[in-house]
Amino acid sequence: QKEVEQDPGPLSVPEGAIVSLNCTYSNSAFQYFMWYRQYSRKGPELLMYTYSSGNKEDGRFTAQVDKSSKYISLFIRDSQPSDSATYLCAMSATTGANSKLTFGKGITLSVRP
Amino acid sequence: ETGVTQSPTHLIKTRGQQVTLRCSSQSGHNTVSWYQQALGQGPQFIFQYYREEENGRGNFPPRFSGLQFPNYSSELNVNALELDDSALYLCASSLRQGSLSGYTFGSGTRLTVV
Repeated sequence: QKEVEQDPGPLSVPEGAIVSLNCTYSNSAFQYFMWYRQYSRKGPELLMYTYSSGNKEDGRFTAQVDKSSKYISLFIRDSQPSDSATYLCAMSATTGANSKLTFGKGITLSVRP
Repeated sequence: ETGVTQSPTHLIKTRGQQVTLRCSSQSGHNTVSWYQQALGQGPQFIFQYYREEENGRGNFPPRFSGLQFPNYSSELNVNALELDDSALYLCASSLRQGSLSGYTFGSGTRLTVV
């Protein structure tokens, strides 16, 4: 079993839809949770960063973390064609020395105009 | 110069050869991490360098090695290339160790081993 599992894709939605992206994890030591967006031929860019359980909102994006269920989600409201990209969840047990990110495999989202 | 720059962007090598990939960190960033992203997969942690010392390593064999220079630029070296080494290699720099929200990734080097 991989440490981080991400819902398989690809996912195609019409413009304006609400998108829900999800990851589960097995390592209870994970405390720091991130969502990255990766456009084709580019490196990942950080979208959302949360610590421990709870919700965090930034514009059209909301990140949710449920540590009791080992489950994280990213919601995208009013999706736009420019949101078409691969979305990666990432997690870490620590900050500081020896910290590293453990990623899910990513899901490719296509938003149709 | 802002951002993380990686070179070359694409590379084709033959099995058994050696390769060196380069990364220039974002200005002021003293920590660099390398990740391998196989096609259709998420990035996997290779290792991290802080102040020219390896500081954490993932599940990669010793033929994957690295260097960090006094200007915080970095190299990833891979010896005895195997077909499975074909992947996108990503470099990420951060202002300090463990600055998880401050990683800046480069666009990567696409390595193809034939």
